[in-house]
Amino acid sequence: EDQVTQSPEALRLQEGESSSLNCSYTVSGLRGLFWYRQDPGKGPEFLFTLYSAGEEKEKERLKATLTKKESFLHITAPKPEDSATYLCAVQTNTGNQFYFGTGTSLTVIP
Amino acid sequence: ETGVTQSPTHLIKTRGQQVTLRCSSQSGHNTVSWYQQALGQGPQFIFQYYREEENGRGNFPPRFSGLQFPNYSSELNVNALELDDSALYLCASSRDRGSEKLFFGSGTQLSVL
Repeated sequence: EDQVTQSPEALRLQEGESSSLNCSYTVSGLRGLFWYRQDPGKGPEFLFTLYSAGEEKEKERLKATLTKKESFLHITAPKPEDSATYLCAVQTNTGNQFYFGTGTSLTVIP
Repeated sequence: ETGVTQSPTHLIKTRGQQVTLRCSSQSGHNTVSWYQQALGQGPQFIFQYYREEENGRGNFPPRFSGLQFPNYSSELNVNALELDDSALYLCASSRDRGSEKLFFGSGTQLSVL
Protein backbone atom coordinates (compact mmCIF):
# COMPACT_ATOMS: atom_id res chain seq x y z
CA GLU A 1 0.00 0.00 0.00
CA ASP A 2 1.27 3.45 -0.92
CA GLN A 3 2.15 5.39 2.21
CA VAL A 4 3.66 8.73 3.20
CA THR A 5 4.89 9.44 6.75
CA GLN A 6 6.10 12.81 8.00
CA SER A 7 8.08 13.60 11.12
CA PRO A 8 8.08 15.30 13.46
CA GLU A 9 4.38 16.13 13.82
CA ALA A 10 5.26 19.50 15.31
CA LEU A 11 8.46 21.53 15.55
CA ARG A 12 9.19 24.72 17.46
CA LEU A 13 12.33 26.64 16.49
CA GLN A 14 13.90 29.86 17.62
CA GLU A 15 14.34 32.39 14.85
CA GLY A 16 17.63 31.54 13.10
CA GLU A 17 17.73 27.95 14.38
CA SER A 18 18.09 25.67 11.34
CA SER A 19 16.44 22.24 11.20
CA SER A 20 15.05 19.54 8.87
CA LEU A 21 11.66 17.97 8.29
CA ASN A 22 11.42 14.38 7.15
CA CYS A 23 9.11 12.64 4.69
CA SER A 24 9.45 8.90 4.21
CA TYR A 25 7.47 7.12 1.53
CA THR A 26 6.58 3.64 0.38
CA VAL A 27 5.11 3.59 -3.11
CA SER A 28 5.00 1.11 -5.95
CA GLY A 29 6.49 3.52 -8.46
CA LEU A 30 7.37 7.12 -7.74
CA ARG A 31 6.47 9.66 -10.36
CA GLY A 32 7.26 12.68 -8.20
CA LEU A 33 7.54 13.90 -4.62
CA PHE A 34 6.06 17.26 -3.74
CA TRP A 35 6.36 19.71 -0.87
CA TYR A 36 3.53 22.10 -0.06
CA ARG A 37 3.12 24.80 2.56
CA GLN A 38 -0.27 25.29 4.22
CA ASP A 39 -1.21 28.29 6.32
CA PRO A 40 -4.18 28.06 8.73
CA GLY A 41 -7.52 28.25 6.91
CA LYS A 42 -5.86 28.13 3.50
CA GLY A 43 -5.24 25.55 0.82
CA PRO A 44 -1.77 24.08 0.31
CA GLU A 45 0.69 26.17 -1.70
CA PHE A 46 3.16 24.41 -3.99
CA LEU A 47 6.85 24.63 -3.04
CA PHE A 48 8.90 21.94 -4.84
CA THR A 49 8.77 18.86 -7.03
CA LEU A 50 11.53 16.22 -6.90
CA TYR A 51 11.70 13.33 -9.35
CA SER A 52 14.78 11.22 -8.70
CA ALA A 53 17.17 10.29 -5.92
CA GLY A 54 19.93 12.83 -5.48
CA GLU A 55 17.86 15.73 -6.75
CA GLU A 56 17.83 18.99 -4.76
CA LYS A 57 15.70 22.15 -5.08
CA GLU A 58 16.10 25.46 -3.25
CA LYS A 59 13.85 28.44 -2.62
CA GLU A 60 14.92 31.19 -0.25
CA ARG A 61 15.53 29.54 3.15
CA LEU A 62 14.14 26.16 2.05
CA LYS A 63 16.00 23.29 0.43
CA ALA A 64 14.42 19.95 -0.48
CA THR A 65 16.36 16.76 -1.11
CA LEU A 66 15.33 13.28 -2.21
CA THR A 67 16.65 9.76 -1.64
CA LYS A 68 15.11 6.44 -2.69
CA LYS A 69 13.07 6.20 0.50
CA GLU A 70 12.72 9.70 1.92
CA SER A 71 12.86 13.41 1.39
CA PHE A 72 14.10 16.18 3.66
CA LEU A 73 13.02 19.79 3.79
CA HIS A 74 15.88 21.79 5.27
CA ILE A 75 15.07 25.19 6.74
CA THR A 76 18.06 27.48 7.16
CA ALA A 77 17.88 30.42 9.58
CA PRO A 78 14.07 30.39 9.73
CA LYS A 79 11.98 33.50 10.32
CA PRO A 80 8.56 33.76 12.04
CA GLU A 81 6.89 34.05 8.62
CA ASP A 82 8.05 30.50 7.85
CA SER A 83 5.59 29.24 10.48
CA ALA A 84 3.10 26.97 8.71
CA THR A 85 2.28 23.30 8.16
CA TYR A 86 4.53 21.65 5.60
CA LEU A 87 2.97 18.80 3.66
CA CYS A 88 4.74 16.13 1.66
CA ALA A 89 2.92 14.30 -1.14
CA VAL A 90 3.81 11.63 -3.67
CA GLN A 91 2.37 10.91 -7.08
CA THR A 92 2.75 7.37 -8.41
CA ASN A 93 3.19 6.06 -11.92
CA THR A 94 -0.14 4.24 -11.77
CA GLY A 95 -2.55 7.11 -11.22
CA ASN A 96 -3.18 10.82 -11.06
CA GLN A 97 -3.87 11.15 -7.37
CA PHE A 98 -1.49 12.56 -4.80
CA TYR A 99 -0.90 10.79 -1.47
CA PHE A 100 -0.29 13.32 1.28
CA GLY A 101 1.37 12.88 4.63
CA THR A 102 -0.16 14.37 7.77
CA GLY A 103 2.24 17.29 7.75
CA THR A 104 4.71 18.94 10.11
CA SER A 105 3.46 22.01 11.96
CA LEU A 106 6.38 24.44 12.20
CA THR A 107 6.40 27.35 14.63
CA VAL A 108 9.28 29.83 14.52
CA ILE A 109 9.55 31.94 17.66
CA PRO A 110 11.01 35.47 17.37
CA GLU B 1 -4.77 35.04 -14.19
CA THR B 2 -7.44 34.20 -11.62
CA GLY B 3 -6.74 31.58 -8.98
CA VAL B 4 -8.91 28.71 -7.76
CA THR B 5 -12.00 29.92 -5.94
CA GLN B 6 -14.32 27.85 -3.77
CA SER B 7 -17.73 28.56 -2.31
CA PRO B 8 -19.03 28.72 0.28
CA THR B 9 -16.12 29.22 2.68
CA HIS B 10 -18.00 27.76 5.63
CA LEU B 11 -21.09 25.57 5.90
CA ILE B 12 -23.00 23.97 8.74
CA LYS B 13 -25.29 21.02 8.04
CA THR B 14 -27.04 18.36 10.08
CA ARG B 15 -26.61 14.62 9.76
CA GLY B 16 -28.56 13.14 6.85
CA GLN B 17 -28.68 16.33 4.81
CA GLN B 18 -27.13 16.85 1.39
CA VAL B 19 -24.53 19.47 0.45
CA THR B 20 -23.09 20.93 -2.76
CA LEU B 21 -19.68 22.61 -2.82
CA ARG B 22 -18.46 24.65 -5.79
CA CYS B 23 -15.10 25.32 -7.37
CA SER B 24 -13.92 27.55 -10.17
CA SER B 25 -10.67 26.36 -11.66
CA GLN B 26 -7.73 28.55 -12.53
CA SER B 27 -7.77 30.11 -15.99
CA GLY B 28 -6.32 27.71 -18.58
CA HIS B 29 -6.81 24.59 -16.42
CA ASN B 30 -9.04 21.72 -17.57
CA THR B 31 -8.65 19.34 -14.63
CA VAL B 32 -10.12 19.58 -11.15
CA SER B 33 -9.38 17.33 -8.18
CA TRP B 34 -11.22 17.27 -4.87
CA TYR B 35 -9.60 16.45 -1.54
CA GLN B 36 -10.96 16.02 1.99
CA GLN B 37 -8.77 17.25 4.85
CA ALA B 38 -9.85 16.26 8.35
CA LEU B 39 -8.47 18.24 11.28
CA GLY B 40 -4.79 17.47 11.83
CA GLN B 41 -4.60 15.22 8.77
CA GLY B 42 -3.25 15.54 5.26
CA PRO B 43 -5.59 15.95 2.29
CA GLN B 44 -7.18 12.71 1.01
CA PHE B 45 -8.03 12.30 -2.65
CA ILE B 46 -11.75 12.05 -3.41
CA PHE B 47 -11.81 12.17 -7.21
CA GLN B 48 -10.57 13.99 -10.29
CA TYR B 49 -12.49 15.41 -13.25
CA TYR B 50 -10.94 15.93 -16.66
CA ARG B 51 -12.94 17.50 -19.48
CA GLU B 52 -16.26 16.76 -17.70
CA GLU B 53 -15.48 13.05 -17.07
CA GLU B 54 -14.44 11.41 -13.79
CA ASN B 55 -10.79 10.43 -14.16
CA GLY B 56 -9.88 8.57 -11.01
CA ARG B 57 -11.46 8.11 -7.61
CA GLY B 58 -10.12 7.57 -4.12
CA ASN B 59 -11.54 5.42 -1.35
CA PHE B 60 -14.79 7.32 -0.81
CA PRO B 61 -18.34 5.91 -0.91
CA PRO B 62 -20.75 6.62 -3.80
CA ARG B 63 -22.60 9.25 -1.76
CA PHE B 64 -19.66 11.48 -2.72
CA SER B 65 -20.26 12.52 -6.32
CA GLY B 66 -19.16 15.29 -8.58
CA LEU B 67 -19.64 17.18 -11.80
CA GLN B 68 -17.46 19.23 -14.08
CA PHE B 69 -18.98 21.80 -16.41
CA PRO B 70 -17.91 22.91 -19.91
CA ASN B 71 -16.12 25.93 -18.41
CA TYR B 72 -14.17 23.42 -16.22
CA SER B 73 -15.74 24.59 -12.97
CA SER B 74 -16.79 21.75 -10.70
CA GLU B 75 -19.18 20.68 -7.95
CA LEU B 76 -18.78 18.18 -5.15
CA ASN B 77 -22.02 16.69 -3.84
CA VAL B 78 -22.29 14.72 -0.62
CA ASN B 79 -25.54 12.92 0.23
CA ALA B 80 -26.69 11.55 3.56
CA LEU B 81 -24.12 13.52 5.54
CA GLU B 82 -22.41 11.82 8.46
CA LEU B 83 -20.63 13.40 11.42
CA ASP B 84 -17.28 12.15 10.06
CA ASP B 85 -17.79 14.19 6.89
CA SER B 86 -16.88 17.27 8.91
CA ALA B 87 -13.66 18.49 7.26
CA LEU B 88 -12.04 21.07 5.01
CA TYR B 89 -12.87 20.26 1.37
CA LEU B 90 -10.20 21.40 -1.02
CA CYS B 91 -10.45 21.84 -4.75
CA ALA B 92 -7.29 21.81 -6.83
CA SER B 93 -6.99 22.61 -10.51
CA SER B 94 -4.22 21.66 -12.90
CA ARG B 95 -3.35 22.38 -16.50
CA ASP B 96 -4.00 18.79 -17.57
CA ARG B 97 -4.91 15.42 -16.05
CA GLY B 98 -1.28 14.34 -16.01
CA SER B 99 -0.02 17.61 -14.60
CA GLU B 100 2.14 17.38 -11.56
CA LYS B 101 1.48 20.80 -10.10
CA LEU B 102 -1.78 21.37 -8.25
CA PHE B 103 -3.19 24.81 -7.50
CA PHE B 104 -5.45 24.69 -4.46
CA GLY B 105 -8.32 26.90 -3.43
CA SER B 106 -8.76 27.98 0.19
CA GLY B 107 -11.36 25.28 0.77
CA THR B 108 -14.84 24.94 2.21
CA GLN B 109 -15.03 24.15 5.91
CA LEU B 110 -17.97 21.79 6.40
CA SER B 111 -19.33 21.07 9.85
CA VAL B 112 -21.91 18.30 10.27
CA LEU B 113 -23.88 18.42 13.52
